[in-house]
Amino acid sequence: KQEVTQIPAALSVPEGENLVLNCSFTDSAIYNLQWFRQDPGKGLTSLLLIQSSQREQTSGRLNASLDKSSGRSTLYIAASQPGDSATYLCAVRGGGFKTIFGAGTRLFVKA
Amino acid sequence: GAGVSQSPSNKVTEKGKDVELRCDPISGHTALYWYRQSLGQGLEFLIYFQGNSAPDKSGLPSDRFSAERTGGSVSTLTIQRTQQEDSAVYLCASSFDPSGEQYFGPGTRLTVT
Repeated sequence: KQEVTQIPAALSVPEGENLVLNCSFTDSAIYNLQWFRQDPGKGLTSLLLIQSSQREQTSGRLNASLDKSSGRSTLYIAASQPGDSATYLCAVRGGGFKTIFGAGTRLFVKA
Repeated sequence: GAGVSQSPSNKVTEKGKDVELRCDPISGHTALYWYRQSLGQGLEFLIYFQGNSAPDKSGLPSDRFSAERTGGSVSTLTIQRTQQEDSAVYLCASSFDPSGEQYFGPGTRLTVT
């Protein structure tokens, strides 16, 4: 049974800092991994999708990496801004295309 | 084009009543997913539809929950004899194909009193 863990559960950083969010999964037989952000009371916004054959994806100040063999993904956020404050979710899609979400990392960027 | 839409945005119902939640996926998307997010909990997979294939119902929590997708487009999630523990935000997502990026709707907040 796939389990997805995100560390840390919460993070507070000053504006401008670079930061890394971690996601680990127990079953390496995955199709893809997707990172989302969720603002309070809102739905999910897709950030990056990494297919199982890929090592990383980049979008603007965001870079996500995937290491299937070790069951890990990281989301790197460069030059953080107060607008980046949100909960970041990692979602792993495995056999049968069932998607398992981590509990999320709540990020607060202080101005 | 339009994103994933869900209706209603909020639903308050009495315990024991049936409710129907609707999801309109992005046009042309063959895959459709339902999830549930309870207060303080993570997202829980409920059901997955792909084209005309039989759905993956492995996440449905009880036989009170059912879903259908008509014509490969609109989907309805039905909860019969609602219980207070069914209170949650129900989220729908769609993707162009099974391996594609999932796009989420705004959700339906269900409150069972």
